Amino acid sequence: GAVVSQHPSWVICKSGTSVKIECRSLDFQATTMFWYRQFPKQSLMLMATSNEGSKATYEQGVEKDKFLINHASLTLSTLTVTSAHPEDSSFYICSARASGASGRIPPRTDTQYFGPGTRLTVL
Amino acid sequence: KNQVEQSPQSLIILEGKNCTLQCNYTVSPFSNLRWYKQDTGRGPVSLTIMTFSENTKSNGRYTATLDADTKQSSLHITASQLSDSASYICVVTVNTGFQKLVFGTGTRLLVSP
Repeated sequence: GAVVSQHPSWVICKSGTSVKIECRSLDFQATTMFWYRQFPKQSLMLMATSNEGSKATYEQGVEKDKFLINHASLTLSTLTVTSAHPEDSSFYICSARASGASGRIPPRTDTQYFGPGTRLTVL
Repeated sequence: KNQVEQSPQSLIILEGKNCTLQCNYTVSPFSNLRWYKQDTGRGPVSLTIMTFSENTKSNGRYTATLDADTKQSSLHITASQLSDSASYICVVTVNTGFQKLVFGTGTRLLVSP
């Protein structure tokens, strides 16, 4: 249990267009989902934390109007990169933390389960 | 400032050999420490998790240790395989309401045939 998927796994887009990335918890309900960005040979950098039904909390330096996050259900969060530019090219990874409502372990409620990532290339 | 430092930055070993990766952290308040394996172009996969009271945790050929007094952890890989080639990331959870993660920069391991 505790599988997180992302779609698409990779995307290439033109500069100025918007791209939506989906993050789904497949077999558990996720109260909280996280979005990270990772540049080559660097560690994951937290972009924002989203709780189902409320506005996302963005880390310092992350533009909330550029990276739109929607967490409309307990199993789905989306990240939309608006007006993408080449410097937005990166590896975007989401993670999900279980609500614990199922009572099953896994998933642990103190653990973030990571998706496989989405490679974004902006031309 | 909450920080996690890892060493070495990169490592090359021969298949079948053992290796040990190091992690030093200054995170407070401490909740737990995890080691993740991240294959190139993939998301991190958890290998081990240790809380404050745990000194060692094994997962197959991976053994992690934790010294909460010195704030150090290690990941020992036994009888390395080519598939062990990946980045290994030490992640410490800050014991706050949001359970914020502090990531190390990782150790890139290459297992050579």
